Amino acid sequence: GAVVSQHPSRVICKSGTSVKIECRSLDFQATTMFWYRQFPKKSLMLMATSNEGSKATYEQGVEKDKFLINHASLTLSTLTVTSAHPEDSSFYICSARNSGNTIYFGEGSWLTVV
Amino acid sequence: KQEVTQIPAALSVPEGENLVLNCSFTDSAIYNLQWFRQDPGKGLTSLLLIQSSQREQTSGRLNASLDKSSGRSTLYIAASQPGDSATYLCAVTGANSKLTFGKGITLSVRP
Repeated sequence: GAVVSQHPSRVICKSGTSVKIECRSLDFQATTMFWYRQFPKKSLMLMATSNEGSKATYEQGVEKDKFLINHASLTLSTLTVTSAHPEDSSFYICSARNSGNTIYFGEGSWLTVV
Repeated sequence: KQEVTQIPAALSVPEGENLVLNCSFTDSAIYNLQWFRQDPGKGLTSLLLIQSSQREQTSGRLNASLDKSSGRSTLYIAASQPGDSATYLCAVTGANSKLTFGKGITLSVRP
């Protein structure tokens, strides 16, 4: 079946540095990918919708300059957390939509900023 | 704005018990509803997906039902096992394929 690969699954970075998380659709083309973030003891919240070849659409309250999303190809979207701070530590997960409008989730990435 | 509620936030049951996890949503205009499992420090695992036109889905010891008109879904776990201990998330898919998640129910099955 279709698989969405997310990498890295875990990352620790120093405060002030940037970290990139990749989301790849392995056996289908995804014109649209979604990025979610999970806060402790809260729901997964949609951060942005990533469309191939165009700028991402960010949800209200999400800083687009801090969370850079690039969807350069039909199988890859990246989320870059710039100038990371400890409060950015979280679980980030992506999902990808295929041509049949089925959504597949990556396994998520745990980010710890120290 | 869609809101998904899962109550209680945590549940502890003895092994072998049949249990029901509840999920409610405010906007019945959904395309589908999914139940996920999340283990501590791990990613999401999709358990069951119910299309808006369906009433239920079954997989092994799991059965999920959907009553779209009343905005409710239940996940039934039969003969619970310690390995079922995890957080169970409910999510509905609305317009533009955006998912809205509940906060999850943390289940603990005691041996």
